[in-house]
Amino acid sequence: DAGITQSPRHKVTETGTPVTLRCHQTENHRYMYWYRQDPGHGLRLIHYSYGVKDTDKGEVSDGYSVSRSKTEDFLLTLESATSSQTSVYFCAIRDRVDQNTEAFFGQGTRLTVV
Amino acid sequence: GDSVTQMEGPVTLSEEAFLTINCTYTATGYPSLFWYVQYPGEGLQLLLKATKADDKGSNKGFEATYRKETTSFHLEKGSVQVSDSAVYFCALGTSTGNQFYFGTGTSLTVIP
Repeated sequence: DAGITQSPRHKVTETGTPVTLRCHQTENHRYMYWYRQDPGHGLRLIHYSYGVKDTDKGEVSDGYSVSRSKTEDFLLTLESATSSQTSVYFCAIRDRVDQNTEAFFGQGTRLTVV
Repeated sequence: GDSVTQMEGPVTLSEEAFLTINCTYTATGYPSLFWYVQYPGEGLQLLLKATKADDKGSNKGFEATYRKETTSFHLEKGSVQVSDSAVYFCALGTSTGNQFYFGTGTSLTVIP
């Protein structure tokens, strides 16, 4: 299994509070991704990173920010959590971005905003 | 734009039944196609992949053939087991971007 650790695995937070989710990898892969998984929507890309300090937005980036200060860590921050951000969040990594290279996923973080 | 359309679920089958989960795609260029599986409470795992037209990916008794003429990558298994109960995602990797594109997932339940 690819060395990807997400923390925390579960979190309950109140509306309006900031929340940070962490993704840590031991594979030295350049590319890292944050997805959210919701019923009927599958996985939707929030943000991704193509190197240290290099990030870009995905299709559902509003309300989220990311940072990557080291190759191994990719942080997702909800600046002010809302109930619509209740979801399961997955981190993924890829070694290269040619079309043949698969992504490896973490175990997920279940976030509930009350 | 690039996208994946996956058969709606949920799907319920009896053990040893034949499984097909449909997946079609839209893409420019020469994409690769993937099937991922998600067991309850876990992340996604790569099940199989195909990187060019007419390639067949296979793993754990599952198969899928990359059909360029019908833009499809349907997942099949001849005899499902209870342990195959999971959510299955079709995904597309393109040569032009950084992203993977996922289908909405199909939940499979296999009953004894």
